[in-house]
Amino acid sequence: GNSVTQMEGPVTLSEEAFLTINCTYTATGYPSLFWYVQYPGEGLQLLLKATKADDKGSNKGFEATYRKETTSFHLEKGSVQVSDSAVYFCALRRLTGGGNKLTFGTGTQLKVEL
Amino acid sequence: EPEVTQTPSHQVTQMGQEVILRCVPISNHLYFYWYRQILGQKVEFLVSFYNNEISEKSEIFDDQFSVERPDGSNFTLKIRSTKLEDSAMYFCASRGGSGGEETQYFGPGTRLLVL
Repeated sequence: GNSVTQMEGPVTLSEEAFLTINCTYTATGYPSLFWYVQYPGEGLQLLLKATKADDKGSNKGFEATYRKETTSFHLEKGSVQVSDSAVYFCALRRLTGGGNKLTFGTGTQLKVEL
Repeated sequence: EPEVTQTPSHQVTQMGQEVILRCVPISNHLYFYWYRQILGQKVEFLVSFYNNEISEKSEIFDDQFSVERPDGSNFTLKIRSTKLEDSAMYFCASRGGSGGEETQYFGPGTRLLVL
């Protein structure tokens, strides 16, 4: 079946550091890939997405490239801010019989300190 | 900006009681979902709903669970007889569906605690 594996957290960085959160997936066919972010006390917000191989999703300085050859969708940001502290979820969506459900990774908590 | 809303934000109930979690999806969306997240674990799919019927459900979504769209705006999840292991954060999501739009938009969640 489909699955998503994320690096375990928490990840603690200093402000302006470079961020990478690894995500790899297992799926048949050609899934769409997503990163969602959950700020403290809030719900899941879509951060970025990519729908086919070699697509790059980007938003708010975050980027992720859909790599079919390595089945990966790693999240990167060149310079993190304290306000980026949140839990980040990698997810895939593969068209099924009709539900189009999302399969999530376990989430990676990011803490950014001054 | 339109958003998905959920009520209540927190609910505490006794084991064996029925609970109804409510969601108002984005108004022109056609597909509706429930997910849950047990504390410290991954977000898990429960059920998807389209055209007034369930389109897919997970193994978790057993006979104790049901969903309903009682009117043109609300989408509810009912747990008939709650168990301790139902304690989790429950997220509602909706998706437009038109023009191939596939992004699911999530509500803020309802934290359910079963005692």
